[in-house]
Amino acid sequence: EAGVTQFPSHSVIEKGQTVTLRCDPISGHDNLYWYRRVMGKEIKFLLHFVKESKQDESGMPNNRFLAERTGGTYSTLKVQPAELEDSGVYFCASSPQRTSGRREQFFGPGTRLTVL
Amino acid sequence: KQEVTQIPAALSVPEGENLVLNCSFTDSAIYNLQWFRQDPGKGLTSLLLIQSSQREQTSGRLNASLDKSSGRSTLYIAASQPGDSATYLCAVRQGGGTSYGKLTFGQGTILTVHP
Repeated sequence: EAGVTQFPSHSVIEKGQTVTLRCDPISGHDNLYWYRRVMGKEIKFLLHFVKESKQDESGMPNNRFLAERTGGTYSTLKVQPAELEDSGVYFCASSPQRTSGRREQFFGPGTRLTVL
Repeated sequence: KQEVTQIPAALSVPEGENLVLNCSFTDSAIYNLQWFRQDPGKGLTSLLLIQSSQREQTSGRLNASLDKSSGRSTLYIAASQPGDSATYLCAVRQGGGTSYGKLTFGQGTILTVHP
């Protein structure tokens, strides 16, 4: 079974440009999460999808960030326009549906974003 | 607001030693706690998950304990090996509300096991 995949693995853009990150969760996982780690800080939650609906977007830093999950499968996270402080590693995770018990989260390899 | 602290920030030990990594959290109303491992430039690998009703979980040379009332968890690694070198992260998941899926992470412990 394939794990969580993320694309691209690295992205280098200039301040003011737009970047779109993609996450493909484990097949059949209803829950999809975005997290990020900026330099020197702990990993922080951004938002949580249940299927195609946003369950919790309390961690989204501002309206330059837009997350979508069309059809409840893969998700995209767009940053527009990117700022220097957006640099960091963006992780995606997925977990099975809420009634399945343990609800362990499985993480992807991350996308390293560098804004120059 | 939940806060997670991991001690020590870094640890260097010779191969073969048993070691303990510590994690503390401020809000004891958690649903579960996960320990992860992160290798340089890689994603997070889930090591152990402890439900709030459990006291410990074991996997091979790893044993994680949970004392929910005192807000503490420990990860015990027996007979450490150079391949155990990585950053170890602790994360807690709250019990309910809108943010029931959110994990709150500690800063991690960087472990180096030298031959």
